[in-house]
Amino acid sequence: GENVEQHPSTLSVQEGDSAVIKCTYSDSASNYFPWYKQELGKGPQLIIDIRSNVGEKKDQRIAVTLNKTAKHFSLHITETQPEDSAVYFCAVPGGGSYIPTFGRGTSLIVHP
Amino acid sequence: GAVVSQHPSWVICKSGTSVKIECRSLDFQATTMFWYRQFPKQSLMLMATSNEGSKATYEQGVEKDKFLINHASLTLSTLTVTSAHPEDSSFYICSADQLNSGSNYNEQFFGPGTRLTVL
Repeated sequence: GENVEQHPSTLSVQEGDSAVIKCTYSDSASNYFPWYKQELGKGPQLIIDIRSNVGEKKDQRIAVTLNKTAKHFSLHITETQPEDSAVYFCAVPGGGSYIPTFGRGTSLIVHP
Repeated sequence: GAVVSQHPSWVICKSGTSVKIECRSLDFQATTMFWYRQFPKQSLMLMATSNEGSKATYEQGVEKDKFLINHASLTLSTLTVTSAHPEDSSFYICSADQLNSGSNYNEQFFGPGTRLTVL
């Protein structure tokens, strides 16, 4: 099956700083890479995703970059705000299945 | 966007009782729904994949007689935790698949989760 590693496990930044979370995966055939944001006591919400035919996708303060050769993709949040504080998960469908394997999650804390 | 609801949002029950959790796709039909459980500060653990009209596929280590899944329609799947015990206390989350016809990929949309506490 797919092996997904997510780093860091916790990330503490000051408001206005940028935050970067990275995930690596093992199945070179994987071609869809979503990122989810989970606030305390709630279900995960899809915030951005990228397909394998592009290297970068941006949506306002959020961007995702993909390096298929190195098999890693990263979530970039610029101008962080306290409301960005949450747990972020990457996910990768792979290993011959469309069912995603989730990373362990990154707890992002944005200090005002 | 696609919306998935869960009911109840939280439940407290006595040990030995059974608890049913409903998962509904509100504005789309989901051929496949998934059930996850999540312990504090941990990632989502897939329990089973549920397809409408057929038996659920359980992940290794998940007891099918303990966690009964019924996918009665394209918009409803239920998870019943039978004879619940304190170790079953967890956050249960469902998700539903929707095919993105534009890109031909399946996107997952998650419910808000159900907090189960077994006393």
